[in-house]
Amino acid sequence: GAVVSQHPSRVICKSGTSVKIECRSLDFQATTMFWYRQFPKQSLMLMATSNEGSKATYEQGVEKDKFLINHASLTLSTLTVTSAHPEDSSFYICSAREDRHNEQFFGPGTRLTVL
Amino acid sequence: KQEVTQIPAALSVPEGENLVLNCSFTDSAIYNLQWFRQDPGKGLTSLLLIQSSQREQTSGRLNASLDKSSGRSTLYIAASQPGDSATYLCAVRVSNYQLIWGAGTKLIIKP
Repeated sequence: GAVVSQHPSRVICKSGTSVKIECRSLDFQATTMFWYRQFPKQSLMLMATSNEGSKATYEQGVEKDKFLINHASLTLSTLTVTSAHPEDSSFYICSAREDRHNEQFFGPGTRLTVL
Repeated sequence: KQEVTQIPAALSVPEGENLVLNCSFTDSAIYNLQWFRQDPGKGLTSLLLIQSSQREQTSGRLNASLDKSSGRSTLYIAASQPGDSATYLCAVRVSNYQLIWGAGTKLIIKP
């Protein structure tokens, strides 16, 4: 199957700092990418959907000014957690939809810990 | 409103057994259905994709079926191995932008 990479896989930061997570589709183009977060032993929660070259669509309750999403190319999307706080600590997973077959592939996730 | 249900929520079987995981959905108007596995602390791995016009897909020891009219899909795992232990998720695509997820089946294969 197609590969989606995420970087970094793990990040620890101080409260108040900003953290950027990169998501890349390695062998296919993805017009649409998705960002999820997952708390321990819970289901994935969709945060936002981004289309290349346009503004992301955020799910209800997700602050767009806190979670900045940029999808500048067909293979790269970034999520920036601004002014991170301990409650932002979570597992963030990106996903890319392969256009031809409408199949969705997931990155390995980024574990964010905010001290 | 589309709802996806997975039964059972958890399953523990001895190594070597064949097993079936079930997924049901309430609205047959879907683009496709995907089965994923998630290992603890890891991302999701796509296992099988069945388009709405297809009846089944196979990959190695895995076989997934789709009966759109009855709103059901099954994931059959043959000759289970301890490495198959994971949470299995099914998701139906209802638009280009939206997947509706089941809650998952946590599978444990005992050596």
